[in-house]
Amino acid sequence: NAGVTQTPKFRILKIGQSMTLQCTQDMNHNYMYWYRQDPGMGLKLIYYSVGAGITDKGEVPNGYNVSRSTTEDFPLRLELAAPSQTSVYFCASSRTDSPLHFGNGTRLTVT
Amino acid sequence: AQSVTQPDIHITVSEGASLELRCNYSYGATPYLFWYVQSPGQGLQLLLKYFSGDTLVQGIKGFEAEFKRSQSSFNLRKPSVHWSDAAEYFCAVRGFGNEKLTFGTGTRLTIIP
Repeated sequence: NAGVTQTPKFRILKIGQSMTLQCTQDMNHNYMYWYRQDPGMGLKLIYYSVGAGITDKGEVPNGYNVSRSTTEDFPLRLELAAPSQTSVYFCASSRTDSPLHFGNGTRLTVT
Repeated sequence: AQSVTQPDIHITVSEGASLELRCNYSYGATPYLFWYVQSPGQGLQLLLKYFSGDTLVQGIKGFEAEFKRSQSSFNLRKPSVHWSDAAEYFCAVRGFGNEKLTFGTGTRLTIIP
């Protein structure tokens, strides 16, 4: 099993550009999450989804959008990239009341 | 709101020495508690979890953690560390039926020969 797959691994964006971070899981998990990790700050929840067609905001949703059209995929969209969005982004998935499984992350730099 | 505090930002331990990483949580009901480890440039790997039952839980790589409700703590321990244990460790809390997992800010572990 591949688990949780994130693409791309690295990306450099210019201010104002847009991009989509891809996340797919093959474990048939109903929950999916996007976190960002900044040095010394731990992981902060951006958005999460409890199933296809259902998404909700986490702690730091501003500047991001998500969609969940299938169980497997949970893309994260940045519409107008800002330097404050320079971070490492992690996608995760889980079953109800089970531990999260993480992808290997996407390192994004906005200059 | 749920929260997690890891009071130690960075810990240095000699190889072969014992280790304890501290974690305190805030949650209004019975929590689900987790420890994750992150090696440089990698994602997070689950070390162990507490859902209910025995308050001393065993995990992978020789780690264990003890849930103490009276102290709102879930400290991670290992009797003898190996150089490969150098990594960042995150404690996290989640509630029953609560979809959100909240992380602490992490403790970076350095191992010296």
